[in-house]
Amino acid sequence: GDSVTQMEGPVTLSEEACLTINCTYTATGYPSLFWYVQYPGEGLQLLLKATKADDKGSNKGFEATYRKETTSFHLEKGSVQVSDSAVYFCALSVSGGFKTIFGAGTRLFVKA
Amino acid sequence: GAGVSQSPSNKVTEKGKDVELRCDPISGHTALYWYRQSLGQGLEFLIYFQGNSAPDKSGLPSDRFSAERTGGSVSTLTIQRTQQEDSAVYLCASSLGESSYNEQFFGPGTRLTVL
Repeated sequence: GDSVTQMEGPVTLSEEACLTINCTYTATGYPSLFWYVQYPGEGLQLLLKATKADDKGSNKGFEATYRKETTSFHLEKGSVQVSDSAVYFCALSVSGGFKTIFGAGTRLFVKA
Repeated sequence: GAGVSQSPSNKVTEKGKDVELRCDPISGHTALYWYRQSLGQGLEFLIYFQGNSAPDKSGLPSDRFSAERTGGSVSTLTIQRTQQEDSAVYLCASSLGESSYNEQFFGPGTRLTVL
């Protein structure tokens, strides 16, 4: 069945460090891929998405590229800030379907 | 405009009691989703509505769980004879349609604690 696997956390970084959170997926068909973020005390919100192979989603300095050949959608940021501390969820939604499959989430702590 | 709202924000109940959780989606959103987030776990899909219909209920953990949606708007998730393993945060989300491209907008969740 369809699934999403993302790196376990927590991830602890110093401010201005580089971030990569790995995400790989298994899906039938051609999924859309998403990263959602949950800041402390807030609800989940969409961070970025990509709907076809080789698309790059970007927002707030974060980027992720849809890699069909490696079935991956790794989240990257060149320089993290304390305000990026949150839980990040990788997710997929299969074309023609309605169900969104979420990964387990990766908690990021950024120290000043 | 208003986002997705859920009530109550917190619910503490005794084992064996029934609980009802409510979700108000964003106006005009035809698709509505319920998820469960257990401590340290990802989001577990429960059920999806397109309008008032639920095409797939297979994510509901047991027959103690049911959900309905009326008027294409408000949805309620009911858990009968609650068990301790039902303790979790229940999240509701809505989207413009059922396309896989559509962003889901999440509510703040209802934290359910079964004693």
